[in-house]
Amino acid sequence: GESVGLHLPTLSVQEGDNSIINCAYSNSASDYFIWYKQESGKGPQFIIDIRSNMDKRQGQRVTVLLNKTVKHLSLQIAATQPGDSAVYFCAETTNDMRFGAGTRLTVKP
Amino acid sequence: DTEVTQTPKHLVMGMTNKKSLKCEQHMGHRAMYWYKQKAKKPPELMFVYSYEKLSINESVPSRFSPECPNSSLLNLHLHALQPEDSALYLCASSQASRNGELFFGEGSRLTVL
Repeated sequence: GESVGLHLPTLSVQEGDNSIINCAYSNSASDYFIWYKQESGKGPQFIIDIRSNMDKRQGQRVTVLLNKTVKHLSLQIAATQPGDSAVYFCAETTNDMRFGAGTRLTVKP
Repeated sequence: DTEVTQTPKHLVMGMTNKKSLKCEQHMGHRAMYWYKQKAKKPPELMFVYSYEKLSINESVPSRFSPECPNSSLLNLHLHALQPEDSALYLCASSQASRNGELFFGEGSRLTVL
């Protein structure tokens, strides 16, 4: 079965609001996680990563939170913009970068 | 150069044809990957090459045959495909297997008639 997965297949937010995309994983030995963004017709693009020795990592407008106790990570996007509309995947490298199911984020103007 | 280049972008082939997908990177990465992606699904890992050696084959049918001629090139040879093999084929590379982000190409959109 899949080692990573996402809670919701779709998420719709208003432009300017914050977005939160969740991901659950099952392998407690997972030590490195990456969030990817895939726009229509393109390959996945790296957004942000986090190692298991961290709880939180911040980038530009994005934050990843890792809760190892419940094997959950989330991607927070601040002030969501129309250009953020895409499918977001979490992936973990214990099993050579396998992807979860993905969440489609739609930003309403 | 932080690009992974895939050719062709689009390919239509019949079930009896033989064709190849090509992937190239010049970032000095030593791990290269083939993924298959169907519509509205996540990428599915097919093959991993590490230091030009096949390290993972995810039980992919033999009608898909990968080849890594050198550290910059990765090919996927296609023969006797089925219509259900129609998908986006993504190539990726990373500095090493199981370590670091993957850099993806734009994919090759394959249609099997």
